[in-house]
Amino acid sequence: ETGVTQTPRHLVMGMTNKKSLKCEQHLGHNAMYWYKQSAKKPLELMFVYSLEERVENNSVPSRFSPECPNSSHLFLHLHTLQPEDSALYLCASSQDRGTGNHEKLFFGSGTQLSVL
Amino acid sequence: AQTVTQSQPEMSVQEAETVTLSCTYDTSESDYYLFWYKQPPSRQMILVIRQEAYKQQNATENRFSVNFQKAAKSFSLKISDSQLGDAAMYFCAYDDMRFGAGTRLTVKP
Repeated sequence: ETGVTQTPRHLVMGMTNKKSLKCEQHLGHNAMYWYKQSAKKPLELMFVYSLEERVENNSVPSRFSPECPNSSHLFLHLHTLQPEDSALYLCASSQDRGTGNHEKLFFGSGTQLSVL
Repeated sequence: AQTVTQSQPEMSVQEAETVTLSCTYDTSESDYYLFWYKQPPSRQMILVIRQEAYKQQNATENRFSVNFQKAAKSFSLKISDSQLGDAAMYFCAYDDMRFGAGTRLTVKP
């Protein structure tokens, strides 16, 4: 399998549930990203990992907890979410995440999350 | 802070015609990169084209080209000979941190 793979494709959860989103990249990249995509709003960068070290955390609520155990895998752990957290969560990777942020991104197909 | 604005929520083009999608951005940097990404119904975003700000020449990729106006902070995408497969959401991006809200392109047969 090639590219960036995200599971599950769809997820429905209650506000008291705990769930995790998984992302796996088979491109040999060193940087991985989580984005939130809400309807008619710009894509929001949530977290960036470079060589398994978190390098960006854009004021994301603590109910979202990322984990990057190695350069190929990225998780987003969810707990006590709110209905406004319903969105498409996209994972991406890039070769590196050096200065200038000029690398092109390779995206997965996303997890469509609904919080009831 | 860098912001990216796409002023056209929706655009429509006839098959085989040309369409231009607009993007403006705000930055105080002199060296940066700009991107156009396409998101089809499959949801997987793919890179269409990339422009380096210090390069005067506009980037081109087959039927896709940009009109980069650095002083005006404008970065429009031109799609020539539009095809049905071009129908998608198109996002303009400044580096990997700032994206526009997207333009939905419809291609009419």
